[in-house]
Amino acid sequence: EPEVTQTPSHQVTQMGQEVILRCVPISNHLYFYWYRQILGQKVEFLVSFYNNEISEKSEIFDDQFSVERPDGSNFTLKIRSTKLEDSAMYFCASRVQVDSNQPQHFGDGTRLSIL
Amino acid sequence: GDSVTQMEGPVTLSEEAFLTINCTYTATGYPSLFWYVQYPGEGLQLLLKATKADDKGSNKGFEATYRKETTSFHLEKGSVQVSDSAVYFCALSSYSGGGADGLTFGKGTHLIIQP
Repeated sequence: EPEVTQTPSHQVTQMGQEVILRCVPISNHLYFYWYRQILGQKVEFLVSFYNNEISEKSEIFDDQFSVERPDGSNFTLKIRSTKLEDSAMYFCASRVQVDSNQPQHFGDGTRLSIL
Repeated sequence: GDSVTQMEGPVTLSEEAFLTINCTYTATGYPSLFWYVQYPGEGLQLLLKATKADDKGSNKGFEATYRKETTSFHLEKGSVQVSDSAVYFCALSSYSGGGADGLTFGKGTHLIIQP
């Protein structure tokens, strides 16, 4: 069964550095998402992306964050000038079409640790 | 805004016990409702879903019924197994017309099944 893949599984970065988290969504999916889960807290929506532009973003997704689909397969989340509070598990998800009845499929996540 | 409230964990049960994990929601319009499960070290997997009132989602012996009158989507299983030990997330999706809404998650309920 096709799945969403995320790399790396664990990223350790010094505070103030830039980090790029990578995702390969399921190949025929058109909608892409990033979520964040701070340890012990709920999964929070960051951003959704369709047709090469951001469709929706949460309050968390400020100027520090950006997303990109640099080619036909990858979907990346860039965090500029990382802060300690950016430490979290970051999940990528994708969905095949516009109907919200269709579920989002999640990757296994990237654990980001900011030192 | 939309919100999901789940019972706090951890919930500890013996094998073959009956399981209920409560979930209530607040949303505008008519959301779709989901249960996701996260096994240790893995990503979020869709367990079941319901897209309209009185729908019952079911999978792997788990069931949940979309109750509009009580704004609830409680997860149940008649006889749990050790392999059901995981974190369970209730979530909703409100279709805003753009088709790209992010999911709103509850905090998750950690379920521990003892042999």
